[in-house]
Amino acid sequence: QSVLTQPPSASGTPGQRVTISCSGSNSNIGSNTVNWYQQFPGTAPKLLVYSNDQRPSGVPDRFSASKSGTSASLAISGLQSEDEADYYCATWDDSLDGWVFGGGTKLTVL
Amino acid sequence: QVQLVESGGGLVEPGGSLRLSCAASGFTFSDYYMSWIRQAPGKGLEWVSYITSSGTYTSYTDSVRGRFTISRDNAKSTLYLQLNSLRAEDTAVYYCAREAARPDYWGQGTMVTVSS
Repeated sequence: QSVLTQPPSASGTPGQRVTISCSGSNSNIGSNTVNWYQQFPGTAPKLLVYSNDQRPSGVPDRFSASKSGTSASLAISGLQSEDEADYYCATWDDSLDGWVFGGGTKLTVL
Repeated sequence: QVQLVESGGGLVEPGGSLRLSCAASGFTFSDYYMSWIRQAPGKGLEWVSYITSSGTYTSYTDSVRGRFTISRDNAKSTLYLQLNSLRAEDTAVYYCAREAARPDYWGQGTMVTVSS
């Protein structure tokens, strides 16, 4: 059971906008910034969004994210087939003194 | 460019031990906290442990505390994870990650399989 809660799956057709939610608590999302990772099968996770809404260089602006209270969300607009991957939210947990992750959301492009 | 290369994984019997290594290059290793994060087959990501840049402070997730030990050699730009008293539920790909206020760069991972 992951500390952060994500839907196990999401889907959309090319060109659509999809959102993935991430729910936590006061000790994690409520107190710290949220990061999002993208992972393709058999590869290491890649940092997609950091500090709630910042994109590392090279990440398309189709990817956006936000945080409010103890929840966060990742939005992907103009969905493309190459966006099909697993997406994880993550943040620091003050009570656990460590990083916590969501269970991951498998995005399918129909 | 930042590179993290893990090694040391393999097949081990329950109760056995392994030592994982993570060789870092492309950045000043001694300036950064480092973490180990694992992923069981078909499962999500689980943070395991982190160590401060000087190595003076460490933290572990509850399930590995007392069995795993994180350490580093800044002169060799290498991060380690000693895994003792291994259990079947420790079977996973183990990633090392650089921390720049968050895990930003990750290695390719090394597989640890605990089975008799």
